[in-house]
Amino acid sequence: AQSVAQPEDQVNVAEGNPLTVKCTYSVSGNPYLFWYVQYPNRGLQFLLKYITGDNLVKGSYGFEAEFNKSQTSFHLKKPSALVSDSALYFCAVRDPGYSTLTFGKGTMLLVSP
Amino acid sequence: DVKVTQSSRYLVKRTGEKVFLECVQDMDHENMFWYRQDPGLGLRLIYFSYDVKMKEKGDIPEGYSVSREKKERFSLILESASTNQTSMYLCASRGTVNTGELFFGEGSRLTVL
Repeated sequence: AQSVAQPEDQVNVAEGNPLTVKCTYSVSGNPYLFWYVQYPNRGLQFLLKYITGDNLVKGSYGFEAEFNKSQTSFHLKKPSALVSDSALYFCAVRDPGYSTLTFGKGTMLLVSP
Repeated sequence: DVKVTQSSRYLVKRTGEKVFLECVQDMDHENMFWYRQDPGLGLRLIYFSYDVKMKEKGDIPEGYSVSREKKERFSLILESASTNQTSMYLCASRGTVNTGELFFGEGSRLTVL
């Protein structure tokens, strides 16, 4: 089985401060990990993915994520938050033995001016 | 850029009506998916398809069916809509690369009265 948890329903950050959105996963093999962002009334947009290699993955809009195998985590980070980063963020995982992604419940990021 | 188009952004239907949600992708992707998104529940997979005329049940297929007569088009059908099917429906596609990300449409928000 594969599962993913986003422990925070909402994260509040002031503009200019660093942000972290947390994600932990459970798979039987080596995971494929993804982050997506959703703006209001829109579909999901791909941000970044980890398949193999360097544990620090860089993606769109200045976001990055760190794969930590021992902690089974894949936290999304950005050094300096923007108000325009306010959106709903989804972490997703796929065990290579599975056909489909499993998504977390999502974390709402609110960046205040 | 990959484009996934969901023809109806907003629909209002009555209980018992038959509802068709259409999705078209323009990148010759083999894999297509239908998810529903509900607050606090994240994305849940309804059905997916690996190829024309092929379909597989996802996590919540009850009350839904799908059709894939052409590679670019994947339709979700609600045979007899019920109020508990009021939701945001998201279509996605993915190419043959096993590690590839999903590309999402803008979503179809369905309200069943």
